[in-house]
This record gives sequence, structure tokens and C-alpha cells, in this order.
Amino acid sequence: GQNIDQPTEMTATEGAIVQINCTYQTSGFNGLFWYQQHAGEAPTFLSYNVLDGLEEKGRFSSFLSRSKGYSYLLLKELQMKDSASYLCAVRGGVDSSYKLIFGSGTRLLVRP
Amino acid sequence: DGGITQSPKYLFRKEGQNVTLSCEQNLNHDAMYWYRQDPGQGLRLIYYSQIVNDFQKGDIAEGYSVSREKKESFPLTVTSAQKNPTAFYLCASSITQKGEKLFFGSGTQLSVL
Repeated sequence: GQNIDQPTEMTATEGAIVQINCTYQTSGFNGLFWYQQHAGEAPTFLSYNVLDGLEEKGRFSSFLSRSKGYSYLLLKELQMKDSASYLCAVRGGVDSSYKLIFGSGTRLLVRP
Repeated sequence: DGGITQSPKYLFRKEGQNVTLSCEQNLNHDAMYWYRQDPGQGLRLIYYSQIVNDFQKGDIAEGYSVSREKKESFPLTVTSAQKNPTAFYLCASSITQKGEKLFFGSGTQLSVL
């Protein structure tokens, strides 16, 4: 089967660092995406990893280990506006390369 | 500005009624998708289209229908056969069906009266 696991909720303090983990089991792998979604709004693209290692983009970084089926999203210098859901999505193998499989999302609450 | 427009933002369906959700994009993308989002669950793929006049079922197509008569438009009809239609519906597009990042519309919340 295909499965993506993320924690349901996390809480962090403004100005701190938070790491959101994602583990996956899929038939084939062609990349992993992270999206941010504020309540009732469209998901917006944050990052894409296809090779092992860390991708940094401003306050956000994303890490991938294909051998472990593991990724994390790192948010630094947290701001109140970072309170949102964070969706991990994996693009499957050659036969289903069009399909993104989404995790249930991690709801992050940033407190003052 | 280029983007994806979904309408309406909120929609109510009566028993036995079919309703149609609109999705229009001016990004010149070939591929378009419909996802359903339920509380506490990941996005699930309903239908997708790789090119005009072609579309395929996703993982939860039962009770839904689509058309792709124009590149810009990919409307979704929720039929009376869909017994649990209350959800947040998201339309998305990508340059091709090979899965570059998705661009999402702002969503339609469908509720049953």
C-alpha cells in the first residue's frame, strides 16, 4: 500500500524553530513536496526534494532521505503567520508519475 | 495575473440535486486536477485531465463527473449518486501531467442542506 504519515498537530513559540516530520511508503518515488495551507485557503508550494539532502529557502528548509523514506520541513524564526497546516506529498513511480499522494497534514500553532 | 479561479466559494446541495463546481485557469497548463479534502484527511484525487478532451478517474471518482472541452476549464459535477458530498474541493493545475508542482485554486466548500 501507499502511506504518508505526519504528526496531526504541533505547537511552537514565536521566534523558535520547529521541525515537521514526514515518513512515506510508496510504490516508486519521483519527488517529495511540502505545501502550506491556511484554513479555508489554497495550498501554496513551499519546497521540492528529489535527491537526498537539505534544500534551504529563506526561513524554510526541507530534508530528504530516500533510503529511510523520510523527510522533514524545518521552519526557523517562527512568525505568527506561520500558523497553518503543512502538507507532505509524494509523487509516485513511473506508472503514476502524475499522481501526488498527500499526507493528512500537520496543523502548526505558533504562540506569542 | 495568472492563476486558477474556483467558484463559488460556498455551495449548498439539496437531496437528489446535481451541482457543478467551476475551475478556470489562465496559466496555459495542460494538466488539471480535482481533489477532495475532508477534515483530518489528506487530499484525495477525484479526476484529472492531461489534455483537452481527455480525463481519467482518480482514487475516488464515484459520484462525480468532469469535462475538459477547453484547455482553461475543468468543471466538476457532484451528482446525486455521491452520498457524502460535504467537503472542501480543490482544483489544481500543472504545466504537464508529469507532475511539476501543482498550483491550486482557492477552493469550494460544498455542504448538504
